[in-house]
Amino acid sequence: GQQVMQIPQYQHVQEGEDFTTYCNSSTTLSNIQWYKQRPGGHPVFLIQLVKSGEVKKQKRLTFQFGEAKKNSSLHITATQTTDVGTYFCAGRGNAGNMLTFGGGTRLMVKP
Amino acid sequence: KAGVTQTPRYLIKTRGQQVTLSCSPISGHRSVSWYQQTPGQGLQFLFEYFSETQRNKGNFPGRFSGRQFSNSRSEMNVSTLELGDSALYLCASSFGELAFFGQGTRLTVV
Repeated sequence: GQQVMQIPQYQHVQEGEDFTTYCNSSTTLSNIQWYKQRPGGHPVFLIQLVKSGEVKKQKRLTFQFGEAKKNSSLHITATQTTDVGTYFCAGRGNAGNMLTFGGGTRLMVKP
Repeated sequence: KAGVTQTPRYLIKTRGQQVTLSCSPISGHRSVSWYQQTPGQGLQFLFEYFSETQRNKGNFPGRFSGRQFSNSRSEMNVSTLELGDSALYLCASSFGELAFFGQGTRLTVV
């Protein structure tokens, strides 16, 4: 079945440093979504990428979808303590397929 | 619009018991998915319901079951609870591609 892998599992950064998490799927995806879960909270939708090679930005966050639609990345520039949490990617193969989540990357930011 | 509502928020059960969790999706959303979240396993897909029909199912034993009602509310049931069933159970409702999560039910099996 479809598998979505995410690396790294954990990342400690100093406030102000950049951060990147990578997501790889075993199969081609119709779209990729990113979610953020704050400690003690629930996953909250951040963004969806649909097109091959697509790049989207949300303030300090940059999301990319690979040309082959099998990988994606989330880059945070100049991290802040408010960025702390676990970032999940999630992909869906074909329409109607279940949404498969990566294992998440837990970001910790030292002030 | 009200968000996804899950009840109860916290639950403590004994091994061997059964439990029923409830999820009320966002109004107008017809798809409801359930996930189990544990520290070591991340978000594991349980099942997805759409218009009262199970559309997808994850790799969980038959002790885990669910259903969806005509008003799109969904319940999941776990029978013969095991210690390893302790987890945060998340429900997500969808309209189209995007998933909106509830706050979850934290189940502790002792």
